[in-house]
Amino acid sequence: AQSVSQHNHHVILSEAASLELGCNYSYGGTVNLFWYVQYPGQHLQLLLKYFSGDPLVKGIKGFEAEFIKSKFSFNLRKPSVQWSDTAEYFCAVMNTGFQKLVFGTGTRLLVSP
Amino acid sequence: DVKVTQSSRYLVKRTGEKVFLECVQDMDHENMFWYRQDPGLGLRLIYFSYDVKMKEKGDIPEGYSVSREKKERFSLILESASTNQTSMYLCASSPDGRGTGELFFGEGSRLTVL
Repeated sequence: AQSVSQHNHHVILSEAASLELGCNYSYGGTVNLFWYVQYPGQHLQLLLKYFSGDPLVKGIKGFEAEFIKSKFSFNLRKPSVQWSDTAEYFCAVMNTGFQKLVFGTGTRLLVSP
Repeated sequence: DVKVTQSSRYLVKRTGEKVFLECVQDMDHENMFWYRQDPGLGLRLIYFSYDVKMKEKGDIPEGYSVSREKKERFSLILESASTNQTSMYLCASSPDGRGTGELFFGEGSRLTVL
């Protein structure tokens, strides 16, 4: 079965620090890749997505992610975090043949002002 | 904006009770999903539906059932609630046929089973 691994469960950063959250998946075929974010007290929302084309994708609020097929990875990055980026971040993968979206276990990010 | 509305934000039930969690979306989406979210486990798919009166099991369907009588409404049913079903339940919908995986989520229903 397809699985998604997020290696960092909790991350604490100071404002202006750079962020990279790791995501690896197990399936070797064609996939669609996503990062979702859940701000405190709010619903899950899409941060960015990759379907095909340029492996470096840009999302909302200055986030970007890079798809590296050879490493089965889709890491999320932001050059300079803000206090408002405090949230839980979920990587998700869909094998285009199976139609199911599989989520990682999430990473809680705390940004201190 | 797409709106996915879950009828109850917080519920407290007793072991053995029947529990209904309701979800309504207002954008005519074909696909609807129920996930449960637990700390350290992320989101796990319980059931999903690609059409009215159609349902498919997700990864953890045991102890749950669903109903989709109308396109906009997808209900999750716990026939006999147990304490291990204490969790946050998330409903989601998507407009794609069988597609790309971009989901729109409701705000969640936090269920506590005593």
